[in-house]
Amino acid sequence: EPEVTQTPSHQVTQMGQEVILRCVPISNHLYFYWYRQILGQKVEFLVSFYNNEISEKSEIFDDQFSVERPDGSNFTLKIRSTKLEDSAMYFCASSGDSGASTDTQYFGPGTRLTVL
Amino acid sequence: TQLLEQSPQFLSIQEGENLTVYCNSSSVFSSLQWYRQEPGEGPVLLVTVVTGGEVKKLKRLTFQFGDARKDSSLHITAAQPGDTGLYLCAGARWGNKLVFGAGTILRVKS
Repeated sequence: EPEVTQTPSHQVTQMGQEVILRCVPISNHLYFYWYRQILGQKVEFLVSFYNNEISEKSEIFDDQFSVERPDGSNFTLKIRSTKLEDSAMYFCASSGDSGASTDTQYFGPGTRLTVL
Repeated sequence: TQLLEQSPQFLSIQEGENLTVYCNSSSVFSSLQWYRQEPGEGPVLLVTVVTGGEVKKLKRLTFQFGDARKDSSLHITAAQPGDTGLYLCAGARWGNKLVFGAGTILRVKS
C-alpha cells in the first residue's frame, strides 16, 4: 500500500542553524501538507501546497519557514534559523487529486526535530 | 478559531468493555477523519466520514458523523488490549487544512 515517507526520522540541530525536512508524498497525490506536534500538544497545521504554490498557511508559518517541491517526488520544509521553540515532531501529509476538502489526508511517520 | 473538543482525554477500561469517544465543535466540517497515533509515530487513518448522519464500521469500531456535521463519535465494542493507543479526530473545513482534537488516550487492561 502506498505511503508517505519522511527523512530523517530524527534531526538534532543548534539554535540558529538551517534545517531541511524531507518528504516523499504518495505518488498520485497532488496536495501536500506540513503539520507539527509539540510534545504533549495537538497536531497543528502549518502549510498546504498545490500546483507548486502555497494554498494556505497558518500564523505559525512565518518568514523562517519555506516549502518546496524540488522535483517530481520530494516535498521539503526548510526552517532558516531554528529556535528552541521549533523543537517538535513534523509530519508531512498528502491527499488526492479531487481538490475537495473531503479528500483523506495520509500522514508520514514524522521527523523529530530537536533544537539545542 | 475552529476548535474540536475531544472527550474524554483519558480512558482506562477492562478488556471486554465498550467505550465511546466524542468529538464536538461549534463549526460545521465538510469531513471528519479519525486517526490512531502510536508514541513517536505519525497519525494512521482509521476512517473518513463525509455525510451528515453517516455511520461507518471497521470491525469492532463504529464511527458516526452528526447530522449537522459538527460532531462525531467513535464507539469500540468489546475493547481489547491491542486497542490501547491515542485516538485523534480531525475536521476539514475551508481548503484542505485539518483541525485536530487534543486526542483520547485509551488504555485497555487485560
